Amino acid sequence: DTGVSQDPRHKITKRGQNVTFRCDPISEHNRLYWYRQTLGQGPEFLTYFQNEAQLEKSRLLSDRFSAERPKGSFSTLEIQRTEQGDSAMYLCASSSPWGAGTEAFFGQGTRLTVV
Amino acid sequence: QQQVKQSPQSLIVQKGGISIINCAYENTAFDYFPWYQQFPGKGPALLIAIRPDVSEKKEGRFTISFNKSAKQFSLHIMDSQPGDSATYFCAASVLNWSGANNLFFGTGTRLTVIP
Repeated sequence: DTGVSQDPRHKITKRGQNVTFRCDPISEHNRLYWYRQTLGQGPEFLTYFQNEAQLEKSRLLSDRFSAERPKGSFSTLEIQRTEQGDSAMYLCASSSPWGAGTEAFFGQGTRLTVV
Repeated sequence: QQQVKQSPQSLIVQKGGISIINCAYENTAFDYFPWYQQFPGKGPALLIAIRPDVSEKKEGRFTISFNKSAKQFSLHIMDSQPGDSATYFCAASVLNWSGANNLFFGTGTRLTVIP
């Protein structure tokens, strides 16, 4: 499978714990995005990487959230001191460096439940 | 503030009928308008997209109609099939200097096609 891969698919954690999610984009894609999707809503943009550089961050990305993309390949999203409001599907997407790079390919997401 | 407004929230269509989903936006800087299809437990998948320099784009049974002056666009699914039953999201973005394509999604339309 050469699509966007996310791990884990599901995560249940206790409030206050830290969690980390991983995203492996399509291999030749240098653009990588993180989105958050709550039940019954559309995805909301969190952050954008071009290669290893984090170029954009949404105001939704509080100081408890941190994302990295070392070496411009896979990316991790860490949430510290989780809160019940963090429960959501976290989606990763990647897009091509060629042309306008408009089409974003999404992974299947990591569903986080904070209890 | 919802940058892209989508309606209806849910839609039930008979097999063979036409499904129509509408979206409206305010930001005139948006220059890319995709539609995504999402099945339960999956990430969104790009269906069809349009740029503001054309008023209509057709791909198979899917057509986007775009009205720049009204700041509205819609998805038409012709000859709807039970396999089309999914949640559909419209989105909009501005392609900017960093190459980012941060998508602003609508709230989604759950389509059910009755056999």
